[in-house]
This record gives sequence, structure tokens and C-alpha cells, in this order.
Amino acid sequence: DAMVIQNPRYQVTQFGKPVTLSCSQTLNHNVMYWYQQKSSQAPKLLFHYYDKDFNNEADTPDNFQSRRPNTSFCFLDIRSPGLGDAAMYLCATSRPTGGKTEAFFGQGTRLTVV
Amino acid sequence: GESVGLHLPTLSVQEGDNSIINCAYSNSASDYFIWYKQESGKGPQFIIDIRSNMDKRQGQRVTVLLNKTVKHLSLQIAATQPGDSAVYFCAENIGGSEKLVFGKGMKLTVNP
Repeated sequence: DAMVIQNPRYQVTQFGKPVTLSCSQTLNHNVMYWYQQKSSQAPKLLFHYYDKDFNNEADTPDNFQSRRPNTSFCFLDIRSPGLGDAAMYLCATSRPTGGKTEAFFGQGTRLTVV
Repeated sequence: GESVGLHLPTLSVQEGDNSIINCAYSNSASDYFIWYKQESGKGPQFIIDIRSNMDKRQGQRVTVLLNKTVKHLSLQIAATQPGDSAVYFCAENIGGSEKLVFGKGMKLTVNP
């Protein structure tokens, strides 16, 4: 059974129209991450939550926001998507234990901006 | 052979050969490292990990080597199979934080 679930798998949005991507987990992990991955590139960390504490990466554009209403769910909001925001968005979770932070990934949401 | 250009570096091997995938990491404070395998259209999958107090760790058909002096990781895959064809990323966890940062990645193609 999938433990990190991202919906939808594919999302098409219009240029400038707000869009929300969803992630849920059944692992009860306290850390949730959002990564952006463009074609032929490594996943780039946008931000992460440690419980309710939000940690933004310095180079994440203001256009990207996140919400974590409870342990199980985390959302990525793109306020005004541009063509350059078309990418795969990956959600991951972890429970740092004993110096190890193994992250479990969802299957991703591929965002197309038209 | 290996090529580097505008796209991901690529390593092509014959089925049954051993493969070595390399990664340079950036932060000397990183103390935990993971190799992930990513197949087309899917999320990264855990392969093997290593802590900074080790220099070698073996799994099933895979071995990770860590050289902290030069900040270098490698993943060795024995008897490579077509199902090993994927993109491989190393990721580093910076000590004292829960951040996990990915390296550049390499595409492995296994020819039958």
C-alpha cells in the first residue's frame, strides 16, 4: 500500500491561476518535504515542515507556499503559476531517528502550465 | 561510456557488468547519505544508506563507499540487470538538521 500519496498525479493549470497540490501520509512521520524536479535535474528542496515548524529554503520563490493542517496532510500552493513552474513536484516524509533521516517519497504530481 | 552535457550524465553498461556511479557532495557537515533510484515518472526509491562514521556499507548487489576526505560517494552495483536502468541520485543529510539535499544524479542504461 502506498504510504506517501500525492494527488493528483497529473495537473494542468492555466498561467497565473492558483493551484494546490496535495500530499498525505500513513507513516505518522513528523517531517514532510516538498521538492521541485525539472526534467533531467535533481529534486530541489523547496521547504519542509518539522511537525508544525515551517522551514523555507532561501531560494524558494514567494510564489510557492505550503500548509500542513495536521500530521497526515501537507499542501503546496502555487499562487500564480508561470511557465517556468512546470515540473514534477515530489512530496516526501521522514522521521529522523538516531542520526538517520531516510525520506520516503510519493509518486509525484506532474504540473503542466498552459 | 560516460558523457556529460546539457542532460544528465549517462553511464551505459552491458547486462552482467558491474556499474559504479559517483557523487560529490558539498557540505562537510553532512553526516548521513542515501542513494536513491528513480525510474521514469516515479518518485525516488531508497537503495542504501551510510553514516559518516563508516566508509563502506553493503547491501544486496549494491555497495556504497564514502570518502569524507574528498567528499565523495560511490554506488557500486554488481551484475547489473536491465531492471537497474534508472536515474540514480545521492542525497546528503546535513548534521543536526532534517534537511535532505540531492546531488546531480546519473542515468544508468543497461544494455541486454
